[in-house]
Amino acid sequence: DQQVKQNSPSLSVQEGRISILNCDYTNSMFDYFLWYKKYPAEGPTFLISISSIKDKNEDGRFTVFLNKSAKHLSLHIVPSQPGDSAVYFCAASPRWGKFQFGAGTQVVVTP
Amino acid sequence: DVKVTQSSRYLVKRTGEKVFLECVQDMDHENMFWYRQDPGLGLRLIYFSYDVKMKEKGDIPEGYSVSREKKERFSLILESASTNQTSMYLCASSSTIGPLMNRLFFGSGTQLSVL
Repeated sequence: DQQVKQNSPSLSVQEGRISILNCDYTNSMFDYFLWYKKYPAEGPTFLISISSIKDKNEDGRFTVFLNKSAKHLSLHIVPSQPGDSAVYFCAASPRWGKFQFGAGTQVVVTP
Repeated sequence: DVKVTQSSRYLVKRTGEKVFLECVQDMDHENMFWYRQDPGLGLRLIYFSYDVKMKEKGDIPEGYSVSREKKERFSLILESASTNQTSMYLCASSSTIGPLMNRLFFGSGTQLSVL
């Protein structure tokens, strides 16, 4: 039973617009969340994290929002660039890092 | 920079062969992990290790074993490879202390094909 769900397998967005990726989780013990980006034939690279004591974390063009009551987090990419075309995974863990990953969302940024 | 190195980028093996996937990290991380990535399923945890000679099963350990004799090295073993083990295998490490605590650092992956 998947405890972390990314219900949109793909997202197409125009260059310069906002990309919004969503992630839902079921385990109320999760309190640390990560977003990773993955290009084909490469390992995932870390993008941004958030812990349950916060509801927002920003790093440049990337912002992650956490809604604990809804068990929902989202990643906003503003503005989207062609190099952002990749698969994005969200991951969640309880205090000690045994992470559960979602199925991923393929983002395509079009000119 | 943390470096996680997986010994092979691509491997082709026959059904029934014993397969070893090797992973080395250079940051003295306590934790090491093996995941497999399959389309539509994301990354699923096979095994992890939180110390030398210590290991715990992840979500899909069947058909796999692991070895961690040294802190920097974590090996994944397919005892008798089967076609349903064709996948991308990803090794990761993380620290339990410091500002990068719990952040997973991944290797480039090994694409294994079992024929």
